[in-house]
Amino acid sequence: NAGVTQTPKFRVLKTGQSMTLLCAQDMNHEYMYWYRQDPGMGLRLIHYSVGEGTTAKGEVPDGYNVSRLKKQNFLLGLESAAPSQTSVYFCASTRAGATQETQYFGPGTRLLVL
Amino acid sequence: QKEVEQDPGPLSVPEGAIVSLNCTYSNSAFQYFMWYRQYSRKGPELLMYTYSSGNKEDGRFTAQVDKSSKYISLFIRDSQPSDSATYLCAMSATGTASKLTFGTGTRLQVTL
Repeated sequence: NAGVTQTPKFRVLKTGQSMTLLCAQDMNHEYMYWYRQDPGMGLRLIHYSVGEGTTAKGEVPDGYNVSRLKKQNFLLGLESAAPSQTSVYFCASTRAGATQETQYFGPGTRLLVL
Repeated sequence: QKEVEQDPGPLSVPEGAIVSLNCTYSNSAFQYFMWYRQYSRKGPELLMYTYSSGNKEDGRFTAQVDKSSKYISLFIRDSQPSDSATYLCAMSATGTASKLTFGTGTRLQVTL
């Protein structure tokens, strides 16, 4: 049981390049999330998904797109990277509607945009 | 004003000290409260959760919620160097973890 995994762990991009971050979970969770974490800003929600084939915007969605083609995978895309997108990106998942449940986080992807 | 406020620290204490970490919030609808621990270069992991008001104890950790004051606390007794991490509070108005609002985190350093 690997929990939540993220690929890649670290990436350097040049301004304008594109990339996709992959999140996978093996807990059969319905809900999945992408956050970014910046110093002094805490965790901010980018996009989330409540089920396969559905996505929704979070607090800071601009410049990002997502897709949830399979229940276990949630992809975050940057079409044209900007230095402001330098951050640590975390994926999380949780069960739908369960009380006393938590969001389980992946190990993070460190992204540097030059 | 942020919905959840948390002092960023850093907070430095000697080994064996009692640590008090706190968050205040403004949304009276919050009813589910969590504390996550995040080691350097790792993802957050759940440490404690409390549903509604009251205290919850787990080993050296005690979570306390005062809904009347909109104030939550995490106490760590007999702090150890291995407790050095960033502690994030998180809250939910739905009673589930489906939508969480996080504090910015407090960095704790426990020194020998």
